[in-house]
Amino acid sequence: DGGITQSPKYLFRKEGQNVTLSCEQNLNHDAMYWYRQDPGQGLRLIYYSQIVNDFQKGDIAEGYSVSREKKESFPLTVTSAQKNPTAFYLCASSTSQARETQYFGPGTRLLVL
Amino acid sequence: AQSVTQLGSHVSVSEGALVLLRCNYSSSVPPYLFWYVQYPNQGLQLLLKYTSAATLVKGINGFEAEFKKSETSFHLTKPSAHMSDAAEYFCAVTNGNAGNMLTFGGGTRLMVKP
Repeated sequence: DGGITQSPKYLFRKEGQNVTLSCEQNLNHDAMYWYRQDPGQGLRLIYYSQIVNDFQKGDIAEGYSVSREKKESFPLTVTSAQKNPTAFYLCASSTSQARETQYFGPGTRLLVL
Repeated sequence: AQSVTQLGSHVSVSEGALVLLRCNYSSSVPPYLFWYVQYPNQGLQLLLKYTSAATLVKGINGFEAEFKKSETSFHLTKPSAHMSDAAEYFCAVTNGNAGNMLTFGGGTRLMVKP
């Protein structure tokens, strides 16, 4: 079945530690996105990528980094510079056509120890 | 620029009652509009999408939404609520910008009372 997978489901970060969230899709989509969701708030865009080896910052990119070495994969690293990383992180993908539907993965909940 | 406002962060209805979740948008060009549903600790699932083909859009699980340009609204309705409809609902807009970026509203949590 085609879809988007995210791992792990839960992730714990210690102070000063970098952690990486995985996002993989087998939908053959060119575009991929990372969102952060906080309780009672909508989704905020962290980074997006329209093509392999290229990505752009979203609204809240500070303290995060990404790579796009393969079409299927778009990992997100939460660095130690992100002082408030506790949130639910959602990955999405879509075709590169304008106004196309974004499809979402199941999410990763990041907690700070 | 584009933005979305969802009126009411929490909505409570009785089982069998009408569901109405409000969404107003702002967009400098004709928008595409989406409603997504999120169950606890899960990702977002597409309910329906407005693409300018028809102003009344039918989605999954008996939901529908009507695009009203004059009111810049895209409210979500369902004639009869079911307990399984309890979830958080997000309205989103895109105006065809580079990157196909969506702007989301703050979400509305729907509670269904037996």
